[in-house]
Amino acid sequence: AQTVTQSQPEMSVQEAETVTLSCTYDTSESDYYLFWYKQPPSRQMILVIRQEAYKQQNATENRFSVNFQKAAKSFSLKISDSQLGDAAMYFCAYRGYSGGGADGLTFGKGTHLIIQP
Amino acid sequence: EAQVTQNPRYLITVTGKKLTVTCSQNMNHEYMSWYRQDPGLGLRQIYYSMNVEVTDKGDVPEGYKVSRKEKRNFPLILESPSPNQTSLYFCASRRSGAGNSPLHFGNGTRLTVT
Repeated sequence: AQTVTQSQPEMSVQEAETVTLSCTYDTSESDYYLFWYKQPPSRQMILVIRQEAYKQQNATENRFSVNFQKAAKSFSLKISDSQLGDAAMYFCAYRGYSGGGADGLTFGKGTHLIIQP
Repeated sequence: EAQVTQNPRYLITVTGKKLTVTCSQNMNHEYMSWYRQDPGLGLRQIYYSMNVEVTDKGDVPEGYKVSRKEKRNFPLILESPSPNQTSLYFCASRRSGAGNSPLHFGNGTRLTVT
Protein backbone atom coordinates (compact mmCIF):
# COMPACT_ATOMS: atom_id res chain seq x y z
CA ALA A 1 0.00 0.00 0.00
CA GLN A 2 1.09 3.52 -0.69
CA THR A 3 2.13 5.73 2.20
CA VAL A 4 2.54 9.48 2.37
CA THR A 5 4.82 11.06 4.96
CA GLN A 6 4.82 14.65 6.08
CA SER A 7 7.70 14.92 8.50
CA GLN A 8 6.92 18.42 9.80
CA PRO A 9 3.89 18.43 12.12
CA GLU A 10 4.17 22.21 12.44
CA MET A 11 5.97 25.03 10.62
CA SER A 12 6.16 28.73 11.34
CA VAL A 13 7.08 31.52 8.94
CA GLN A 14 7.12 35.31 8.98
CA GLU A 15 4.60 37.07 6.79
CA ALA A 16 6.02 37.80 3.31
CA GLU A 17 8.71 35.12 3.68
CA THR A 18 8.96 31.85 1.79
CA VAL A 19 8.29 28.46 3.36
CA THR A 20 8.64 24.91 2.08
CA LEU A 21 6.55 22.00 3.32
CA SER A 22 7.95 18.51 2.85
CA CYS A 23 6.22 15.40 1.57
CA THR A 24 7.57 12.01 0.64
CA TYR A 25 5.67 8.99 -0.54
CA ASP A 26 6.22 5.34 -1.13
CA THR A 27 4.90 3.61 -4.22
CA SER A 28 5.82 0.98 -6.77
CA GLU A 29 3.64 2.53 -9.45
CA SER A 30 5.04 4.59 -12.30
CA ASP A 31 1.89 6.56 -13.05
CA TYR A 32 0.18 8.52 -10.31
CA TYR A 33 -0.98 11.95 -9.21
CA LEU A 34 0.02 14.12 -6.30
CA PHE A 35 -1.94 16.86 -4.62
CA TRP A 36 -1.63 19.46 -1.89
CA TYR A 37 -4.77 20.40 -0.02
CA LYS A 38 -5.20 23.25 2.43
CA GLN A 39 -7.53 23.08 5.42
CA PRO A 40 -8.09 26.45 7.14
CA PRO A 41 -9.84 26.72 10.52
CA SER A 42 -13.17 26.65 8.67
CA ARG A 43 -12.15 22.96 8.03
CA GLN A 44 -12.92 23.17 4.32
CA MET A 45 -10.58 21.07 2.16
CA ILE A 46 -9.26 23.29 -0.63
CA LEU A 47 -7.12 22.07 -3.50
CA VAL A 48 -3.90 24.06 -3.70
CA ILE A 49 -1.97 22.39 -6.48
CA ARG A 50 -1.64 19.08 -8.34
CA GLN A 51 1.06 17.28 -10.26
CA GLU A 52 0.99 14.39 -12.70
CA ALA A 53 3.91 12.03 -12.24
CA TYR A 54 4.54 11.77 -15.98
CA LYS A 55 5.15 15.52 -16.22
CA GLN A 56 8.70 16.62 -15.55
CA GLN A 57 7.77 20.26 -15.21
CA ASN A 58 6.91 21.35 -11.68
CA ALA A 59 3.38 22.66 -11.21
CA THR A 60 2.86 26.31 -10.24
CA GLU A 61 -0.24 28.18 -9.10
CA ASN A 62 0.45 31.84 -8.37
CA ARG A 63 2.47 31.92 -5.10
CA PHE A 64 2.38 28.13 -4.73
CA SER A 65 4.81 25.84 -6.49
CA VAL A 66 6.04 22.31 -6.04
CA ASN A 67 9.41 20.62 -6.25
CA PHE A 68 8.62 17.17 -7.64
CA GLN A 69 11.52 14.72 -7.51
CA LYS A 70 10.18 11.45 -8.90
CA ALA A 71 13.28 9.36 -8.29
CA ALA A 72 13.45 10.54 -4.69
CA LYS A 73 9.64 10.21 -4.30
CA SER A 74 9.49 13.72 -2.94
CA PHE A 75 6.82 16.36 -3.49
CA SER A 76 7.43 19.53 -1.50
CA LEU A 77 5.24 22.63 -1.55
CA LYS A 78 6.77 26.10 -1.65
CA ILE A 79 4.70 29.09 -0.61
CA SER A 80 6.21 32.42 -1.62
CA ASP A 81 5.34 35.79 -0.07
CA SER A 82 3.42 34.11 2.76
CA GLN A 83 0.18 35.78 3.75
CA LEU A 84 -1.89 35.57 6.92
CA GLY A 85 -4.57 33.77 4.95
CA ASP A 86 -2.14 30.95 4.22
CA ALA A 87 -2.32 29.83 7.85
CA ALA A 88 -3.86 26.36 7.74
CA MET A 89 -3.25 22.65 7.91
CA TYR A 90 -1.69 21.39 4.67
CA PHE A 91 -2.13 17.84 3.48
CA CYS A 92 -0.12 16.07 0.85
CA ALA A 93 -2.04 13.35 -1.00
CA TYR A 94 -1.29 10.58 -3.47
CA ARG A 95 -3.54 8.89 -6.00
CA GLY A 96 -2.47 5.96 -8.09
CA TYR A 97 -3.63 5.42 -11.61
CA SER A 98 -4.95 1.93 -12.02
CA GLY A 99 -6.88 2.86 -15.14
CA GLY A 100 -10.13 1.77 -13.57
CA GLY A 101 -10.53 5.02 -11.71
CA ALA A 102 -11.11 3.37 -8.34
CA ASP A 103 -8.08 4.82 -6.63
CA GLY A 104 -8.83 6.96 -3.64
CA LEU A 105 -6.52 9.55 -2.16
CA THR A 106 -3.92 8.52 0.41
CA PHE A 107 -3.20 11.46 2.69
CA GLY A 108 -0.26 12.40 4.84
CA LYS A 109 -0.88 13.38 8.45
CA GLY A 110 -0.63 17.07 7.72
CA THR A 111 1.57 20.07 8.50
CA HIS A 112 0.17 22.91 10.54
CA LEU A 113 1.44 26.18 9.04
CA ILE A 114 1.58 29.25 11.26
CA ILE A 115 2.10 32.70 9.76
CA GLN A 116 3.74 35.23 12.10
CA PRO A 117 2.67 38.84 11.39
CA GLU B 1 -22.56 26.85 -7.82
CA ALA B 2 -20.76 23.51 -8.08
CA GLN B 3 -20.63 21.94 -4.67
CA VAL B 4 -20.76 18.93 -2.39
CA THR B 5 -23.31 19.37 0.36
CA GLN B 6 -23.15 17.43 3.61
CA ASN B 7 -25.64 17.48 6.43
CA PRO B 8 -25.61 17.94 9.31
CA ARG B 9 -22.51 20.02 10.09
CA TYR B 10 -22.51 18.92 13.70
CA LEU B 11 -24.04 15.83 15.28
CA ILE B 12 -23.98 14.56 18.85
CA THR B 13 -25.48 11.16 19.50
CA VAL B 14 -25.33 8.25 21.92
CA THR B 15 -23.84 4.82 21.49
CA GLY B 16 -26.04 2.50 19.47
CA LYS B 17 -28.45 5.05 18.01
CA LYS B 18 -28.51 4.68 14.23
CA LEU B 19 -27.68 7.78 12.24
CA THR B 20 -27.25 8.89 8.64
CA VAL B 21 -25.05 11.64 7.28
CA THR B 22 -26.27 12.84 3.91
CA CYS B 23 -24.12 13.87 0.98
CA SER B 24 -25.20 15.34 -2.33
CA GLN B 25 -23.24 16.73 -5.29
CA ASN B 26 -24.49 18.77 -8.23
CA MET B 27 -21.56 18.23 -10.61
CA ASN B 28 -22.76 14.96 -12.17
CA HIS B 29 -19.67 13.22 -10.81
CA GLU B 30 -19.49 9.45 -11.10
CA TYR B 31 -17.08 8.93 -8.23
CA MET B 32 -17.99 9.68 -4.62
CA SER B 33 -16.29 8.77 -1.38
CA TRP B 34 -16.31 9.20 2.38
CA TYR B 35 -13.30 10.04 4.55
CA ARG B 36 -12.80 10.44 8.25
CA GLN B 37 -10.25 12.81 9.72
CA ASP B 38 -8.67 12.20 13.11
CA PRO B 39 -5.91 14.23 14.80
CA GLY B 40 -2.47 12.94 13.89
CA LEU B 41 -3.87 10.47 11.36
CA GLY B 42 -4.83 12.66 8.42
CA LEU B 43 -7.79 11.59 6.30
CA ARG B 44 -8.63 7.96 5.72
CA GLN B 45 -11.08 6.59 3.19
CA ILE B 46 -14.12 4.75 4.53
CA TYR B 47 -16.07 3.78 1.39
CA TYR B 48 -16.22 4.86 -2.19
CA SER B 49 -18.57 4.51 -5.14
CA MET B 50 -17.65 4.40 -8.81
CA ASN B 51 -21.24 4.94 -9.95
CA VAL B 52 -24.85 4.19 -9.12
CA GLU B 53 -25.21 0.85 -7.31
CA VAL B 54 -21.41 0.34 -7.30
CA THR B 55 -19.76 0.73 -3.90
CA ASP B 56 -16.61 -0.65 -2.32
CA LYS B 57 -14.68 -0.56 0.94
CA GLY B 58 -11.89 1.88 1.60
CA ASP B 59 -9.25 1.60 4.29
CA VAL B 60 -11.46 1.88 7.40
CA PRO B 61 -14.95 0.52 6.54
CA GLU B 62 -15.80 -1.27 9.79
CA GLY B 63 -18.94 0.05 11.43
CA TYR B 64 -20.15 1.98 8.37
CA LYS B 65 -22.53 1.39 5.50
CA VAL B 66 -23.20 3.36 2.34
CA SER B 67 -25.64 3.27 -0.54
CA ARG B 68 -25.68 4.83 -4.00
CA LYS B 69 -29.19 4.68 -5.40
CA GLU B 70 -28.89 7.96 -7.27
CA LYS B 71 -25.86 9.51 -8.91
CA ARG B 72 -25.97 12.69 -6.85
CA ASN B 73 -26.44 11.16 -3.38
CA PHE B 74 -24.11 9.06 -1.26
CA PRO B 75 -25.29 8.78 2.36
CA LEU B 76 -23.10 7.39 5.15
CA ILE B 77 -24.91 5.18 7.64
CA LEU B 78 -23.77 4.26 11.13
CA GLU B 79 -26.12 1.51 12.26
CA SER B 80 -24.76 1.29 15.80
CA PRO B 81 -22.34 4.16 16.47
CA SER B 82 -19.61 3.75 19.03
CA PRO B 83 -17.35 6.35 20.70
CA ASN B 84 -14.40 5.38 18.46
CA GLN B 85 -16.42 6.73 15.53
CA THR B 86 -16.23 10.22 16.97
CA SER B 87 -14.51 12.06 14.15
CA LEU B 88 -14.73 14.67 11.42
CA TYR B 89 -16.28 13.19 8.29
CA PHE B 90 -15.91 14.39 4.72
CA CYS B 91 -17.81 13.45 1.62
CA ALA B 92 -16.06 14.05 -1.69
CA SER B 93 -16.68 13.59 -5.40
CA ARG B 94 -14.80 13.78 -8.68
CA ARG B 95 -15.11 12.91 -12.33
CA SER B 96 -14.08 9.40 -13.21
CA GLY B 97 -11.96 8.41 -16.15
CA ALA B 98 -8.64 9.66 -17.36
CA GLY B 99 -6.92 12.67 -15.96
CA ASN B 100 -6.07 14.04 -12.58
CA SER B 101 -9.50 15.34 -11.70
CA PRO B 102 -9.28 16.48 -8.09
CA LEU B 103 -11.60 15.53 -5.28
CA HIS B 104 -14.19 18.16 -4.37
CA PHE B 105 -14.98 18.04 -0.68
CA GLY B 106 -18.03 18.87 1.35
CA ASN B 107 -17.70 21.10 4.41
CA GLY B 108 -17.45 18.21 6.85
CA THR B 109 -19.61 16.73 9.59
CA ARG B 110 -18.32 16.77 13.15
CA LEU B 111 -19.72 13.66 14.84
CA THR B 112 -19.53 13.03 18.58
CA VAL B 113 -20.68 9.68 19.97
CA THR B 114 -21.06 9.54 23.75
